[in-house]
Amino acid sequence: EPEVTQTPSHQVTQMGQEVILRCVPISNHLYFYWYRQILGQKVEFLVSFYNNEISEKSEIFDDQFSVERPDGSNFTLKIRSTKLEDSAMYFCASSASGGAADTQYFGPGTRLTVL
Amino acid sequence: AQSVTQLGSHVSVSEGALVLLRCNYSSSVPPYLFWYVQYPNQGLQLLLKYTTGATLVKGINGFEAEFKKSETSFHLTKPSAHMSDAAEYFCAVTRYNQGGKLIFGQGTELSVKP
Repeated sequence: EPEVTQTPSHQVTQMGQEVILRCVPISNHLYFYWYRQILGQKVEFLVSFYNNEISEKSEIFDDQFSVERPDGSNFTLKIRSTKLEDSAMYFCASSASGGAADTQYFGPGTRLTVL
Repeated sequence: AQSVTQLGSHVSVSEGALVLLRCNYSSSVPPYLFWYVQYPNQGLQLLLKYTTGATLVKGINGFEAEFKKSETSFHLTKPSAHMSDAAEYFCAVTRYNQGGKLIFGQGTELSVKP
């Protein structure tokens, strides 16, 4: 069964450094998402992406964050200057049609630790 | 604004016992409701969803949930727990015009005792 993959599984970085989290969505899906979960808190929506544009973003998704689909398979989340509070599990998801009723398929997550 | 509350961050049941995980939502428009499960070191996997139509929804692994508008609830049940059901369960809500933005509850960790 097709699945969403994410790399790396765990990333450790120093505060102020840039990180890129990578995701490979399911191949025929057109809509892509990033969520994050700070330890002990809820899974939070960050951004949705379709047709090489951001469809919607949350208030968390400020100027230090960016997303890109650099080729036909990868979907990346870049954090330009990491802060301690960016430490979290980051989940990528994809869906076929992007409708509210459409199922989103999640990857296993990347645990980001900012020291 | 929409929100989801899951009552109980940890639920423990014996193998063979009824599983009941509670989810209440807040939404000003008809909601779309989802239950996801996360096994250790894996991504969130859809168990079931309610969009329209029949309010009792059946999902994978013997789970089901009932949408009760009057109670703003979408509780997840399974008649008989199995050891393999031990995982974290997330309830989520969205609405038709929200473009797939899921709002999650805080999750419930289910333990199953032999």
